[in-house]
Amino acid sequence: AQKVTQAQTEISVVEKEDVTLDCVYETRDTTYYLFWYKQPPSGELVFLIRRNSFDEQNEISGRYSWNFQKSTSSFNFTITASQVVDSAVYFCALIGNTNAGKSTFGDGTTLTVKP
Amino acid sequence: EPEVTQTPSHQVTQMGQEVILRCVPISNHLYFYWYRQILGQKVEFLVSFYNNEISEKSEIFDDQFSVERPDGSNFTLKIRSTKLEDSAMYFCASSEDRGRQYFGPGTRLTVT
Repeated sequence: AQKVTQAQTEISVVEKEDVTLDCVYETRDTTYYLFWYKQPPSGELVFLIRRNSFDEQNEISGRYSWNFQKSTSSFNFTITASQVVDSAVYFCALIGNTNAGKSTFGDGTTLTVKP
Repeated sequence: EPEVTQTPSHQVTQMGQEVILRCVPISNHLYFYWYRQILGQKVEFLVSFYNNEISEKSEIFDDQFSVERPDGSNFTLKIRSTKLEDSAMYFCASSEDRGRQYFGPGTRLTVT
């Protein structure tokens, strides 16, 4: 069974603050993929990042960074110097190698960035 | 970047009616999926499809649902007799392998 937990339901920050969104996962698969998606109010799912289970290197893309730690089964997402346009729902998701491609999503974290 | 497309963007139907949601996956992709998101909730897996058959389906995907790849380019989700609780955003996705899935923009289904 696969499970993704995003314990933070809602986060509110003021513009320019840094914010970290937590994601903890469970899977029995030894090979798996982790994802983050952004869902703005318009409703589409915007792909942000994919990380393979065998690659624990952290990644930075502009103001976004991701911290993958297999030892704690976590894949946290940090936005540096947040902006109003970052306001959205953010989903963490997992695909295990034995699950026919089924993505398991967390419940999502609603981020509100206030000016 | 290649895109998955979905039509219609919004469908309103009456309870008990049949609906067909359409998707055009990315052309060289082999794996196809449908997901559902009830308003304000998380995205839930419905079904995966590979080599012209269902690979896996969730408990949500009961006998009222079916999928088809009728012509090698479209991928459809049919709901035979819609219920109020079928109101949701339906996302189609496709992938080359079992890695990254490319999601379409979604079809918002409203059952009245």
